[in-house]
Amino acid sequence: QQQVKQSPQSLIVQKGGISIINCAYENTAFDYFPWYQQFPGKGPALLIAIRPDVSEKKEGRFTISFNKSAKQFSLHIMDSQPGDSATYFCAAPPFSFNTPLVFGKGTRLSVIA
Amino acid sequence: SAVISQKPSRDICQRGTSLTIQCQVDSQVTMMFWYRQQPGQSLTLIATANQGSEATYESGFVIDKFPISRPNLTFSTLTVSNMSPEDSSIYLCSVEGTANEKLFFGSGTQLSVL
Repeated sequence: QQQVKQSPQSLIVQKGGISIINCAYENTAFDYFPWYQQFPGKGPALLIAIRPDVSEKKEGRFTISFNKSAKQFSLHIMDSQPGDSATYFCAAPPFSFNTPLVFGKGTRLSVIA
Repeated sequence: SAVISQKPSRDICQRGTSLTIQCQVDSQVTMMFWYRQQPGQSLTLIATANQGSEATYESGFVIDKFPISRPNLTFSTLTVSNMSPEDSSIYLCSVEGTANEKLFFGSGTQLSVL
């Protein structure tokens, strides 16, 4: 079964700083790697996703970097804001159809002023 | 994107009782997924619910403890049976946007068992 290793478990960043969260995956038959953001009391919401035909995808302050040969991908949050304080989950596709994404253990980000 | 309504949003239950969680989607979907998120933990898939067939359970989860119904393409229920404090978690319903992509989640049901 697909395993996804996410680090760090928690992260404290100063306002305006860069938050970096890393994930590593095993083999996959599919090419779709999303990041989810979860605020307390809410379900996870899709934040940004990448297909590994590109090595980087940027949406506003959020960037995914992808290293297919190393089977790693990371989320960078530029100019981190207190409103970014949430738990972030990376996910990787499963090995086969009809099974959903496999999630990392999550990173609790706190952005302090 | 799919809009998922889940209820109740939270409940406090007594040990030994059962709770049924409802999930309503604003569009027809083939598969619906039920996840458990224990405090401070990641999302663990409980089962996949297809309309017209028995749910498929992941290792560690059984139908007697987590019976699931899927009467149509927009609705599903998950029952947490004979609850114990270890069942205190957030339970999340989700659906796929396109094949193997874009899981959409409901807001979850926060369950506390005393």
